[in-house]
Amino acid sequence: DADVTQTPRNRITKTGKRIMLECSQTKGHDRMYWYRQDPGLGLRLIYYSFDVKDINKGEISDGYSVSRQAQAKFSLSLESAIPNQTALYFCATSGRRGNTGELFFGEGSRLTVL
Amino acid sequence: GIQVEQSPPDLILQEGANSTLRCNFSDSVNNLQWFHQNPWGQLINLFYIPSGTKQNGRLSATTVATERYSLLYISSSQTTDSGVYFCAVKETSGSRLTFGEGTQLTVNP
Repeated sequence: DADVTQTPRNRITKTGKRIMLECSQTKGHDRMYWYRQDPGLGLRLIYYSFDVKDINKGEISDGYSVSRQAQAKFSLSLESAIPNQTALYFCATSGRRGNTGELFFGEGSRLTVL
Repeated sequence: GIQVEQSPPDLILQEGANSTLRCNFSDSVNNLQWFHQNPWGQLINLFYIPSGTKQNGRLSATTVATERYSLLYISSSQTTDSGVYFCAVKETSGSRLTFGEGTQLTVNP
């Protein structure tokens, strides 16, 4: 089983719908992240959390919100999805407090907004 | 913020060839990782290498932090090496990784 699990893996929805992407991890890491990847581009950070009560905006947080329900769970919500949020979304974790830590990714959630 | 440039943007090889991918960054870093994104979209950790040299089978990587670059070497390439290779760095004064735009590698049989 994957150490970092994302659900759903694929989702097609309509403009204006609320969407939640969920991430859970069994690595025991304290830090969790949500990234977005657009076709032909690198990854951009949406939100990150260093602990259960810690939430930080990344580069492209507008239109998104997150919830860190437990150390092992970090969900990403699109309150009112729009077509330009069509992308591949990745959850990631890292385990080191302080400034270093190897990043591990989930398998990705492909979202299409019509 | 830190700038990360990867080169070349695209690379086409015949199976069995060797290649070198480069990652330049604009500031001091204390975290550098190489990832392979396979054609199915999965991101696979290759190396965690903020400095020094590491090898894993046909792949090796070297980071010269003082000169702000890292190199990924692929020897005897195979078609399964195809995909996008990303470099990601975290500047010493920062708190998260910044990704380069990747090198698209195609290995033909």
